[in-house]
Amino acid sequence: AQKITQTQPGMFVQEKEAVTLDCTYDTSDPSYGLFWYKQPSSGEMIFLIYQGSYDQQNATEGRYSLNFQKARKSANLVISASQLGDSAMYFCAMREGNTDKLIFGTGTRLQVFP
Amino acid sequence: NAGVTQTPKFQVLKTGQSMTLQCAQDMNHEYMSWYRQDPGMGLRLIHYSVGAGITDQGEVPNGYNVSRSTTEDFPLRLLSAAPSQTSVYFCASSYFSTGQKLFFGSGTQLSVL
Repeated sequence: AQKITQTQPGMFVQEKEAVTLDCTYDTSDPSYGLFWYKQPSSGEMIFLIYQGSYDQQNATEGRYSLNFQKARKSANLVISASQLGDSAMYFCAMREGNTDKLIFGTGTRLQVFP
Repeated sequence: NAGVTQTPKFQVLKTGQSMTLQCAQDMNHEYMSWYRQDPGMGLRLIHYSVGAGITDQGEVPNGYNVSRSTTEDFPLRLLSAAPSQTSVYFCASSYFSTGQKLFFGSGTQLSVL
């Protein structure tokens, strides 16, 4: 069964520093997609970045990059040059090729301090 | 460009009452789903649909009912509300493909007393 694990309930980072949020996954399907979403205190879910299982390069979107290590089944989110506005909950999610479902991890709360 | 529209934004129910959470999308997405979000539990899938007339259960389907009569609408029904159903509910939609991201509604805060 597919599973997403986020082991960091909370993380702190100083403004302008980089931070890595961990995500590991479990699947037996060779075709899958990995997503990261941000949820600020206002509650909406904001898509950040996507990595496909067959993608050769790590995905990047502005200050966000995904450190994809397929053999270790990890898909960590790296935020460079943290900003105060990055303070939020961050969710890792996976969609398998042979299922219709997108499954989420329990999230990591990131707090950026000046 | 409305995207995914959820109503209501807030709702208070008494135990045993029934109600329907509405969800509509205007992006012609085949895939629609309902999640509930509880503290420390992340988002858990309740029900989902890959097209009109097709629905399936997610991780936590008990106490909820869905139907998909049109591509646009995917209502979630609480048959007999219980305090354990106090949660934030999100509707989401996407094209049906491994690489397609979900578009989320703004959420419904439901309290069952």
